[in-house]
Amino acid sequence: EAQVTQNPRYLITVTGKKLTVTCSQNMNHEYMSWYRQDPGLGLRQIYYSMNVEVTDKGDVPEGYKVSRKEKRNFPLILESPSPNQTSLYFCASSKGLVVYNEQFFGPGTRLTVL
Amino acid sequence: QQQVKQSPQSLIVQKGGIPIINCAYENTAFDYFPWYQQFPGKGPALLIAIRPDVSEKKEGRFTISFNKSAKQFSLHIMDSQPGDSATYFCAASDPSGGTSYGKLTFGQGTILTVHP
Repeated sequence: EAQVTQNPRYLITVTGKKLTVTCSQNMNHEYMSWYRQDPGLGLRQIYYSMNVEVTDKGDVPEGYKVSRKEKRNFPLILESPSPNQTSLYFCASSKGLVVYNEQFFGPGTRLTVL
Repeated sequence: QQQVKQSPQSLIVQKGGIPIINCAYENTAFDYFPWYQQFPGKGPALLIAIRPDVSEKKEGRFTISFNKSAKQFSLHIMDSQPGDSATYFCAASDPSGGTSYGKLTFGQGTILTVHP
């Protein structure tokens, strides 16, 4: 089954404790992206990657890191999480640029930073 | 700066009603306008999309109306059903290599409730 998977689905952590949210897709997609969803703000893009070793900042990249060492994986790293990073996070992938291709979203990771 | 503004924030209709969700954008380079549907506990999924060379696109009960001069587009759901209850997001993307290149910019979302 074609899908985007994220782990963990739920995470409660404390301020400053480094964490990684994994994202994997099995559709051989070139484009991958991370979003955060907050009430009243919709989905905001954190980082995106147009191919292996090619990443760029989205609209809200502060406090986050990403890497794209393999085509299928695009982990999101929070080096020193803070309470304002409490949010619902989505990973997404598409065959190519979003302007020409449908994005497929993962099921989401709900993160709480205490 | 919110480049795509969506309204209303929430909407309640009766079964069979026609909810309308509106979006307005600022960047005239936007060239692709999708709508995503999100059910509780799930990720968003593409519902319908339009490019600015047409003024309307219909897929089943869902219709996008597009007004390029006003920089506005809207989603209409005909004969709405309780199963349509979800959060709807409009979005826009710019292929021209400007500051939005490679990005999909979303609106704030509309929570739609359709009562039986």
